[in-house]
Amino acid sequence: GAVVSQHPSWVICKSGTSVKIECRSLDFQATTMFWYRQFPKQSLMLMATSNEGSKATYEQGVEKDKFLINHASLTLSTLTVTSAHPEDSSFYICSAHPRGLRVHNEQFFGPGTRLTVL
Amino acid sequence: AQTVTQSQPEMSVQEAETVTLSCTYDTSENNYYLFWYKQPPSRQMILVIRQEAYKQQNATENRFSVNFQKAAKSFSLKISDSQLGDTAMYFCASQIQGAQKLVFGQGTRLTINP
Repeated sequence: GAVVSQHPSWVICKSGTSVKIECRSLDFQATTMFWYRQFPKQSLMLMATSNEGSKATYEQGVEKDKFLINHASLTLSTLTVTSAHPEDSSFYICSAHPRGLRVHNEQFFGPGTRLTVL
Repeated sequence: AQTVTQSQPEMSVQEAETVTLSCTYDTSENNYYLFWYKQPPSRQMILVIRQEAYKQQNATENRFSVNFQKAAKSFSLKISDSQLGDTAMYFCASQIQGAQKLVFGQGTRLTINP
């Protein structure tokens, strides 16, 4: 149980195009999902917190107009990288916090999406 | 603000040995959680062990145990009888009670040699 999927697992796009990454909780409902970015050999950096039915909360320094987040349902959050540039190339990971779960505040992570912008 | 520091970028031990990964953190909160996550080459984040700050007893999960020193704000991970499958990046993380946001340390790359 508590499986989170991401699609696509990897994507290559041209500079200037937009890319959408989906994060789905497969067997639970998630009121909150998180989007992280991880550069090679570095740690996970939280980009934004996605709450179902409301606007996402972005971390300082993250451009909300560039990284559009939509959490339209309790099982799906999407991250759209708009007008992608080579410096946006990275590994993007989502995590989900199950609805109603209070024990240990556990989050479940997706397998990540590798984005390469040419 | 929360901060988590892992001062060992890389570690390497022989199979079956015991290894300890260090982590220190800083928070002004009294109630919080601490975690160790494993990220193998597949990049999938896997929860290894968690500790509630209000519990004095150190958490254990099979071969994995922690040494939680609240006053020193230290949270080290001990891996006993290390196995080749333990080779991975290990991240220490903290979370304030009532908030869901995780703050990660820089990570330690652990290699278990045969």
